[in-house]
Amino acid sequence: QKEVEQNSGPLSVPEGAIASLNCTYSDRGSQSFFWYRQYSGKSPELIMFIYSNGDKEDGRFTAQLNKASQYVSLLIRDSQPSDSATYLCAVIGTDSWGKFQFGAGTQVVVTP
Amino acid sequence: EPEVTQTPSHQVTQMGQEVILRCVPISNHLYFYWYRQILGQKVEFLVSFYNNEISEKSEIFDDQFSVERPDGSNFTLKIRSTKLEDSAMYFCASNAMGRGGDEQYFGPGTRLTVT
Repeated sequence: QKEVEQNSGPLSVPEGAIASLNCTYSDRGSQSFFWYRQYSGKSPELIMFIYSNGDKEDGRFTAQLNKASQYVSLLIRDSQPSDSATYLCAVIGTDSWGKFQFGAGTQVVVTP
Repeated sequence: EPEVTQTPSHQVTQMGQEVILRCVPISNHLYFYWYRQILGQKVEFLVSFYNNEISEKSEIFDDQFSVERPDGSNFTLKIRSTKLEDSAMYFCASNAMGRGGDEQYFGPGTRLTVT
């Protein structure tokens, strides 16, 4: 069974600080990695995606991928109360045609 | 900005009844998906669809489920005989490329409650 694992949290972060979220995956051949944000009762909203090892920055968000360690992370800089949500890691595996395998998500709470 | 739409937003049905959940994917997208999320649990893949065929389906997607693209814009999920455990949020998603290299855009979801 291919797994995507995330710490469930909640991760409490002071406003203005950096939130660091981690995700590990079991399918070594996975090639595509995505971070989504989900507010309570709402649908997943794409934050960013990463395909290559290293860092990718988009505004206040930075995704980091290390395929050798089967690990992908998301950093949120200058955290705002509006960043309070559950962050979902999604992975597309080697034998899949677009099927997302989601982690259970990490709840982030940004405190003023 | 184009978006995926879904109707209804909330559907209540009795056990054993058939339901059809509707989705309108983003207009230039060719790959369509259904996911579900039981309350408090992770988002789970149900099925992917391309060129009027199912590309991939999960173990959840048994004979009680079917998908259809009845016209050029709608994409539907039918559950023939609903069970209590089908109560969940159902999300439709679409993307332009489908194969591992493109992000998926999610609709707002349909909350299905089976009583």
